[in-house]
Amino acid sequence: GENVEQHPSTLSVQEGDSAVIKCTYSDSASNYFPWYKQELGKRPQLIIDIRSNVGEKKDQRIAVTLNKTAKHFSLHITETQPEDSAVYFCAASGTGEDNYGQNFVFGPGTRLSVLP
Amino acid sequence: NAGVTQTPKFQVLKTGQSMTLQCAQDMNHEYMSWYRQDPGMGLRLIHYSVGAGITDQGEVPNGYNVSRSTTEDFPLRLLSAAPSQTSVYFCASSYRLGVFSPLHFGNGTRLTVT
Repeated sequence: GENVEQHPSTLSVQEGDSAVIKCTYSDSASNYFPWYKQELGKRPQLIIDIRSNVGEKKDQRIAVTLNKTAKHFSLHITETQPEDSAVYFCAASGTGEDNYGQNFVFGPGTRLSVLP
Repeated sequence: NAGVTQTPKFQVLKTGQSMTLQCAQDMNHEYMSWYRQDPGMGLRLIHYSVGAGITDQGEVPNGYNVSRSTTEDFPLRLLSAAPSQTSVYFCASSYRLGVFSPLHFGNGTRLTVT
């Protein structure tokens, strides 16, 4: 089955700097990669996603890149702000071999701290 | 739309007790799932359903049962609670697997088993 690794487990940056979180996946059939942000005591919320036929996607200060050959994808946050402090999870899913598709498999998470 | 609604928000059980965590979605999503979140372990899939009447096991199904009699509801039953089931539980739904549709999470249930 799919396995998703995520690095680093913790990341501290100064406000205004950039943050990069990297994930690798094992199943070449995975073709959809969402990223979730989870603030303390809250639910995970989708912040950006990317499909396998796209190499990069941007949404304001957030971008995601995908390298299908190397089976890795990364989250980039520019001009970080204190409200970006949270745990970030990457995930992978795919079409699968049957009619139902592949379940989402999550990375273990990265705790990002943005220092003022 | 309310999205994904979970109840209760908090629960304390004694070892051996049973209970049901409720989950409902009003987005007409085919796919529903239950995850548990433990420190340093990320989100682990307990059970899932790809449509009414269809359920299957995820990564950590032992000690839990589910049913999906309607599209909207997907309750999770703890049969005989154990301290190892102390965790935060999230229900999540998606339009359908395999079609680039993200998961939408409920607000979670924090369960403590003593």
